[in-house]
Amino acid sequence: AQSVAQPEDQVNVAEGNPLTVKCTYSVSGNPYLFWYVQYPNRGLQFLLKYITGDNLVKGSYGFEAEFNKSQTSFHLKKPSALVSDSALYFCAVRANNNDMRFGAGTRLTVKP
Amino acid sequence: EAQVTQNPRYLITVTGKKLTVTCSQNMNHEYMSWYRQDPGLGLRQIYYSMNVEVTDKGDVPEGYKVSRKEKRNFPLILESPSPNQTSLYFCASSLGGPGYGYTFGSGTRLTVV
Repeated sequence: AQSVAQPEDQVNVAEGNPLTVKCTYSVSGNPYLFWYVQYPNRGLQFLLKYITGDNLVKGSYGFEAEFNKSQTSFHLKKPSALVSDSALYFCAVRANNNDMRFGAGTRLTVKP
Repeated sequence: EAQVTQNPRYLITVTGKKLTVTCSQNMNHEYMSWYRQDPGLGLRQIYYSMNVEVTDKGDVPEGYKVSRKEKRNFPLILESPSPNQTSLYFCASSLGGPGYGYTFGSGTRLTVV
């Protein structure tokens, strides 16, 4: 069965600095990888996904993620963080059986 | 507007009183799923459905029931709620196939006292 690990419960960065939220995965077969963001009292919103092709995928709000097959990682990145990026971020992997598994989430705090 | 609608948003109930959380999507999605979100545990799948009349257990199905009589609706039923089912619940839907992401509802915060 597929699984996802987000090794950091919390990431703190200063506004304007680059940010990275880490994710590693385990799956049999081809990985279909996703990042979602959750703002307070809201549902999860899709940010970006990797299906195939270019290892660097770009998504909403200036976020991007780098797929690394050898390290089984899919880290979320942004060159310059905004205070409004503060939220809970979830990495997820979906396998051929359609089952989507989520990590425990990483709380990103961007300080002015 | 394409969306997944859950009701109610907030619910406080007593132990043992049956309740239903409704979920409806207007995108003609085949796949629907229920998750619960608890601090430090992320989202855990309760039940999912790959199409009408096809449902299956997720990771934490105990104490829950679902049905999928129509493509758009996927209600979550708690026959006899207990305090350990206090949680934030999300319904999600997607097209079939692993390359598609989920569209999530806004969530239902359930408290069982």
